Amino acid sequence: QQQVKQSPQSLIVQKGGISIINCAYENTAFDYFPWYQQFPGKGPALLIAIRPDVSEKKEGRFTISFNKSAKQFSLHIMDSQPGDSATYFCARGSAGGYQKVTFGTGTKLQVIP
Amino acid sequence: GEEVAQTPKHLVRGEGQKAKLYCAPIKGHSYVFWYQQVLKNEFKFLISFQNENVFDETGMPKERFSAKCLPNSPCSLEIQATKLEDSAVYFCASSILGQGRNEQYFGPGTRLTVT
Repeated sequence: QQQVKQSPQSLIVQKGGISIINCAYENTAFDYFPWYQQFPGKGPALLIAIRPDVSEKKEGRFTISFNKSAKQFSLHIMDSQPGDSATYFCARGSAGGYQKVTFGTGTKLQVIP
Repeated sequence: GEEVAQTPKHLVRGEGQKAKLYCAPIKGHSYVFWYQQVLKNEFKFLISFQNENVFDETGMPKERFSAKCLPNSPCSLEIQATKLEDSAVYFCASSILGQGRNEQYFGPGTRLTVT
């Protein structure tokens, strides 16, 4: 199964700082790159997603940057808050709602006051 | 409903026993997915359905795992003769075709512990 490589494994950021999580993929035959947020004891929830024909997408404090030539994409959380403390997963899939999602290995983010 | 429901929340089985997990997708969603999340956060895709038909079963260990989505019933994932390595959280997700976002809505999961 083709993997999505994610780093770092864990991240500690001070409140108000910027959290940055990076991912790399191998196969270009995917047209949908979502990020999921998971709190302990809960299922993952879609945070933000991007298609490879867009280089950047911003929703509130969350921004995805996509570098198609390098096969890399990253999540930036601006003005990080303690409530953002969760595990974040990058993923790849196909647009349309019917294809499986392949997850990265996860980044545990802790935002300290 | 507007949430994916999964039952039970926790399930404990002795090695070799059968385990059965249930999932009620969001009403109107035609795709159902099962994923397994093991201790190191790794998600593994198991199987997906389009309504009651198997859509993709490339992740299923078929010798012990089976799944169904029958009309007017919750979907189910059954593990015959559980092994210690089956201990994981099993997530069900559902989605609706054509939204263009591949948004899969996940349930809260069933934690299976095999002792």
